[in-house]
Amino acid sequence: DTAVSQTPKYLVTQMGNDKSIKCEQNLGHDTMYWYKQDSKKFLKIMFSYNNKELIINETVPNRFSPKSPDKAHLNLHINSLELGDSAVYFCASSQALKGNTIYFGEGSWLTVV
Amino acid sequence: AQTVTQSQPEMSVQEAETVTLSCTYDTSESDYYLFWYKQPPSRQMILVIRQEAYKQQNATENRFSVNFQKAAKSFSLKISDSQLGDAAMYFCAYRSEAGANSKLTFGKGITLSVRP
Repeated sequence: DTAVSQTPKYLVTQMGNDKSIKCEQNLGHDTMYWYKQDSKKFLKIMFSYNNKELIINETVPNRFSPKSPDKAHLNLHINSLELGDSAVYFCASSQALKGNTIYFGEGSWLTVV
Repeated sequence: AQTVTQSQPEMSVQEAETVTLSCTYDTSESDYYLFWYKQPPSRQMILVIRQEAYKQQNATENRFSVNFQKAAKSFSLKISDSQLGDAAMYFCAYRSEAGANSKLTFGKGITLSVRP
């Protein structure tokens, strides 16, 4: 079983559309993250949730809205997609208070045309 | 804020030989964790090795080992007996001590190629 799974893995969409990426982890972790990897392959955190509570919210446009229905899920909704949103989005999880290794999903390749 | 620097954008190694990837970081904290992640062309982020700052002993995982110099804030990765499958992008990363608001801060990565 995949520990951190994201869907869809590939997504091509037009500018202006709204799209969602779903993430689930079966590791029993209490903290989940969204990272963005840009065209230069630089990885940067966007959000983190601990026990469904938003903890980290980096400088991200309001068009990006994370939602955590429970500890095992963290979805990312993006409104009014722009060309610059094209990137690979990684979901990840960890145990906040111990372990400390962050485990990543396989990434979701978003292309905005 | 913590920063992670990987100054070499690319490196190349002959198959079966040894290569060292460099990483330095800047922090005012005394307790933290350091990681090396591998990203092959599939883009999956794979944990290679981790090091707890409070441990003086360098971490090892099979052919992978680190040289952790806390005073110098240096954390290099040594790959021994390089294999073709080691070709990938490698990211050095820093994480503060355990806490809900702790996050991974990545370097820019280094692309490793392995010559047959």
